[in-house]
This record gives sequence, C-alpha cells and structure tokens, in this order.
Amino acid sequence: EVVLTQSPGTLSLSPGERATLSCRARQSVSSYLAWYQQKIGQAPRLLIYGASSRATGIPDRFSGSGSGTDFTLTISRLEPEDFAVYFCHQYGSSPRTFGQGTKVEIK
Amino acid sequence: EVQLVESGGDLVQPGGSLRLSCAASGFTFSNYEIHWVRRVAGKGLEWVSAVGIAADTFYSDSVKGRFTVSRENAENSCYLQVNSLRAEDTAVYYCARESLESAMSYFDLWGRGTLVTVSS
Repeated sequence: EVVLTQSPGTLSLSPGERATLSCRARQSVSSYLAWYQQKIGQAPRLLIYGASSRATGIPDRFSGSGSGTDFTLTISRLEPEDFAVYFCHQYGSSPRTFGQGTKVEIK
Repeated sequence: EVQLVESGGDLVQPGGSLRLSCAASGFTFSNYEIHWVRRVAGKGLEWVSAVGIAADTFYSDSVKGRFTVSRENAENSCYLQVNSLRAEDTAVYYCARESLESAMSYFDLWGRGTLVTVSS
C-alpha cells in the first residue's frame, strides 16, 4: 500500500500568516491526491482533489500543488476558521490511504 | 441538505457485534459508491470497506471475513455489520461518498462518524 507521510505534525501560526503543509508518498500516486480539513466533532471537508483542483465553495486562499510523490497544501492567509487538522488522501491505488494529519493551531 | 449521518456505534465486548448505519439525504444515493473509513485514536485514517452501485463489496485485509457492508437504496442507507470485534477495531467510523468524477475517485462527502469502543 502507498504510505503517505505528512509534515509537520503541528504548525503553530498566527491569523494572516501563510501555512505550508506537506504530504509525501512512498511511491508515485500521479495526481490522485486530495486534501481534507477536519474540525473536532465535524465531518471531514474536501478542499482539494486532483492535487490542485479546489472543491466547490472552497476559498481561493487554499491551493494545492505537486504530483508524483511530493504534494503541498498552501493556505495563503490564515483565517480564524482555518485552524483545524488537515489530511491528505491518495486514491490512485488500492487500498486508498491517508496521511496522519497536520494540526494547524493558533500561535 | 446534502449529508451523511452515521449511527450505531457503542461500547461492546471483545468478540461482540454491532451494525453501523449511514443515512444519506439530499442526493441520489443509488448513484454513488459508499465507503467506510475509520480513525483509531492516536493514529491516522484507515480505509475499511466499500459498497458499489451494483452492491459489489470491498474490504481491507484487516476486516475481511469479520465485517459485511451492504446498501439499501430504498432507504437511502448503507450498513456495516461488524462481527468478532477486537480491541484494535476501536475507532470512529465514518461513511464517505465517492465522487462520480472517475472510476476510482476521492471522497467528496463525509459524515461526522460514530464511535465504536471494544473493551471488556
């Protein structure tokens, strides 16, 4: 199975700052990578699919990049509602796998 | 409202069973493949099972032979029968809808999850 490793585990930033989250695959997943946001007690929310396509209704401060094994989720300017856990997901091969998550917390 | 709502999680003894439900609303349920994904405390997410639009079923190696997934389109619901439960099955179980974009796609809708605790 494809192992996804996210870094850092925790990112401490202030509102207005830029957040850069990494997801690295042990083998190529082409562009079959999605990013999700999850807040405590809530359902995960799709942010990015196809490595770089924003899902419907997602603000343009969220952007995704990368292909193959290295992917990045960037939040250009953090809003208060962006402090949450983010995880990546590869859907290019079975079984589908997920990263362990990056927590973006208020500094 | 377009949503998925899980239910059925509980505290159960090792070796016990539960039936988890996933109720869909706001979209044509029969058109979508539905997946179950779980999060074990302190660990990441693990894909568990899926049921296709033709009721074809898929399982991870860790649950094969113990879990059974099914769907009832008339009820807009998906079910996960979990048997022979082990401590390592303790997790929040989510159902998720697979996007129609391609044959193997991302999950575009998730529920909030239901907690299964296996303990004596």
